[in-house]
Amino acid sequence: AQSVSQHNHHVILSEAASLELGCNYSYGGTVNLFWYVQYPGQHLQLLLKYFSGDPLVKGIKGFEAEFIKSKFSFNLRKPSVQWSDTAEYFCAVFAGRRALTFGSGTRLQVQP
Amino acid sequence: DTGVSQDPRHKITKRGQNVTFRCDPISEHNRLYWYRQTLGQGPEFLTYFQNEAQLEKSRLLSNRFSAERPKGSFSTLEIQRTEQGDSAMYLCASSLTDSLSGNTIYFGEGSWLTVV
Repeated sequence: AQSVSQHNHHVILSEAASLELGCNYSYGGTVNLFWYVQYPGQHLQLLLKYFSGDPLVKGIKGFEAEFIKSKFSFNLRKPSVQWSDTAEYFCAVFAGRRALTFGSGTRLQVQP
Repeated sequence: DTGVSQDPRHKITKRGQNVTFRCDPISEHNRLYWYRQTLGQGPEFLTYFQNEAQLEKSRLLSNRFSAERPKGSFSTLEIQRTEQGDSAMYLCASSLTDSLSGNTIYFGEGSWLTVV
């Protein structure tokens, strides 16, 4: 069965620091990969997605993620975080079955 | 505004009571999903519909849970004889399966259930 692992459960950064959140999945076939964000009190929103082609995908608000097939990874990055990036971030995979499988999430806290 | 609407947003019920949640997906989306999310965890898949057909159910969906999508538009999720362990956020999502949008799923704001 497919699964998603997010290694960092809680990350605390200062504004302007660089961000990298890890995501690994387990599935041997073709995958679609996603990062969703959940701001405090709000619904899940799509940050970015990978279906095919260029493994470096860019999303909203300056976020990007790189799909490395050999490492089964899809890490999320941002060069310089802002206080408004404080949120919970979820990696998800669409593979085989017909619904998304989510990781347990990483809570990001950005201090001003 | 994602376009996926859920009702009610919050529900407090006594253990043993039945509750029903409603979801209105984005218009013309043919797939509708139900997920459950507890604090500190990612959403867990419960079930999904393609049009009116329920195509997959998770093992998390015990026989106290039933979901319907009678006309391929809105959906309901009913929990019978609620237990305290059912306390969670119930998320609805929808997607349109075509070559352009792929498998992107859009979520509603969720329905919080507290069983006391």
